[in-house]
Amino acid sequence: EAGVTQFPSHSVIEKGQTVTLRCDPISGHDNLYWYRRVMGKEIKFLLHFVKESKQDESGMPNNRFLAERTGGTYSTLKVQPAELEDSGVYFCASSQDSNRVTGEQYFGPGTRLTVT
Amino acid sequence: DQQVKQNSPSLSVQEGRISILNCDYTNSMFDYFLWYKKYPAEGPTFLISISSIKDKNEDGRFTVFLNKSAKHLSLHIVPSQPGDSAVYFCAAKRSGGYQKVTFGTGTKLQVIP
Repeated sequence: EAGVTQFPSHSVIEKGQTVTLRCDPISGHDNLYWYRRVMGKEIKFLLHFVKESKQDESGMPNNRFLAERTGGTYSTLKVQPAELEDSGVYFCASSQDSNRVTGEQYFGPGTRLTVT
Repeated sequence: DQQVKQNSPSLSVQEGRISILNCDYTNSMFDYFLWYKKYPAEGPTFLISISSIKDKNEDGRFTVFLNKSAKHLSLHIVPSQPGDSAVYFCAAKRSGGYQKVTFGTGTKLQVIP
């Protein structure tokens, strides 16, 4: 069974540019999450999809961030325009609905975003 | 507001000894706790969890202890092995519905051969 995949693994962009991150969850996982970790800090929740619907987007920093999950399969996270403070590692995770109580999630390897 | 705190950013332990990683939380509504392990350039992987109705959960060399009155949990690794060297994240959530998971800042464990 393939794990959670993320693309690209690393992205370097200039302030003001746009970047789109992609996440492919484990097949059959209805729950998809986005997180961000700034160096040395906590893994911070951004948002949660259940199938194609946004269940909780309370962690999204501002309206420069847009997440979509068309068709309830893969998801994209777009940052437009990017700012310096957006730098960090963006993780995607997925889980089966049966794990939503326990919180056990399967993480991808992350996308390291550097905004210069 | 950091609701899950890991006050030790790093820990070094000799191979074969016990590693104890600590975690404190402030939100009394949390009732499910998890530990994740992360190697460099990889995503976190689930390690072990505990419900608030228990005070201990054991899985092989890994044991998690929960002290609800102190809002404190710890992860014990016995015996520690070099392959355990990684960053360990404590996490917590509320039960019921779709509740988000709140992570700590992580503790980097180095097991010295």
